[in-house]
Amino acid sequence: AQSVTQLDSHVSVSEGTPVLLRCNYSSSYSPSLFWYVQHPNKGLQLLLKYTSAATLVKGINGFEAEFKKSETSFHLTKPSAHMSDAAEYFCVLLTGGSQGNLIFGKGTKLSVKP
Amino acid sequence: EAGVAQSPRYKIIEKRQSVAFWCNPISGHATLYWYQQILGQGPKLLIQFQNNGVVDDSQLPKDRFSAERLKGVDSTLKIQPAKLEDSAVYLCASSLATSRMYNEQFFGPGTRLTVL
Repeated sequence: AQSVTQLDSHVSVSEGTPVLLRCNYSSSYSPSLFWYVQHPNKGLQLLLKYTSAATLVKGINGFEAEFKKSETSFHLTKPSAHMSDAAEYFCVLLTGGSQGNLIFGKGTKLSVKP
Repeated sequence: EAGVAQSPRYKIIEKRQSVAFWCNPISGHATLYWYQQILGQGPKLLIQFQNNGVVDDSQLPKDRFSAERLKGVDSTLKIQPAKLEDSAVYLCASSLATSRMYNEQFFGPGTRLTVL
């Protein structure tokens, strides 16, 4: 079965400190993985995607994620948090097959303290 | 470029009433998706259209939910009759995808439905 598990429902950091949002996946296929961000009252926005090229993926707003097959993980990081990073973050797995449907994790709410 | 538009943004109804949501995808996007996002969970796909045909509706509760995409552009999602557990945010997304290759899905702001 294909699934995504986000290990933390809520992460709180201080502005200027590093961010780590954890994600594990389960997939029978070579996975394609994404991170989406959802700001309050706004649509989901794609942060970055991994599609079997480089294992370290850089996204928008200084975020990056590293695909580790041995650990079945795809953790999201940022060296220095900004107040504007406060949002909900979703780790997403692309299912195999022609439809290419997305399976979302339950989300991690990131709070940034001044 | 205009994004995915959805209306209404908020809706409150009583159980057993009916409700409809509207979505206008990004111009030229062949594929349209409806997702249900219950509080505290990630979005779950309800139905996927390719132009005006249904590609996947395996998770759509067909006894009460229906969706259509006439003319392959706008789409409506209807719930009749609504239950308390239908309270959620309903998200519409669209993409250029017309083949097996994945194309980015662009999401609208969603419609927040509260069923009392």
